[in-house]
Amino acid sequence: QITLKESGPTLVKPTQTLTLTCSFSGFSLSTSGVGVGWIRQPPGKAPEWLAVIYWDDDQRYSPSLESRLTIARDTSKNQVVLTMTNMDPVDTATYYCAHKEALRSHFDPWGQGTLVTVSS
Amino acid sequence: NFMLTQPHSVSESPGKTVTISCTRNTGDIDSNYVQWYQQRPGSSPKNVIYEDNQRPSGVPDRFSGSIDSSSNSASLTISGLKSEDEADYYCQSYDGINLWVFGGGTRLTVL
Repeated sequence: QITLKESGPTLVKPTQTLTLTCSFSGFSLSTSGVGVGWIRQPPGKAPEWLAVIYWDDDQRYSPSLESRLTIARDTSKNQVVLTMTNMDPVDTATYYCAHKEALRSHFDPWGQGTLVTVSS
Repeated sequence: NFMLTQPHSVSESPGKTVTISCTRNTGDIDSNYVQWYQQRPGSSPKNVIYEDNQRPSGVPDRFSGSIDSSSNSASLTISGLKSEDEADYYCQSYDGINLWVFGGGTRLTVL
């Protein structure tokens, strides 16, 4: 059974850097074809894809946020870390990580999500 | 970049059938697969249809997906509506290069 869980700060100040960790089980990011993505969802709005990393360390970023995002994996710990710089109140959202197969277009399953509020 | 447009809300009675549309504004709808996610209040999104019309294991066959090239849209159809189907539904596709796009979402109310 694949499970994922996000962790990180619930409150960050404007201009700070956000670091989120996705801890997962039931699969390995060393296995060919496997990936983990990050998606965020502002309150009351639709999800927005942020980034994905694959077993071969291939990294893809949303073009609109690429300059602010970094995704990295730690295969020994079964974790994926997302950093987002220069946080702004508009970045307030629930941040999800999700399992993805390289040859598929969908994310499944998703973690429970973690709400991050950006406020001074 | 492309956009996926969904109706803001739909409603139907229990036992009936409802269809939710997802229209792509640029590029062909059949150029990349469409997925559908169900999000109940307070929960994370759950995939109910992938690759246009495939159901993950555990998803009832009351859920089906289709593509209509003439209208450049995808559809999610739920038959035999149950109260537990009340949720937000999002379509999602890919630009083939580097962007996964979600629709704005449709709130389904089971009257």
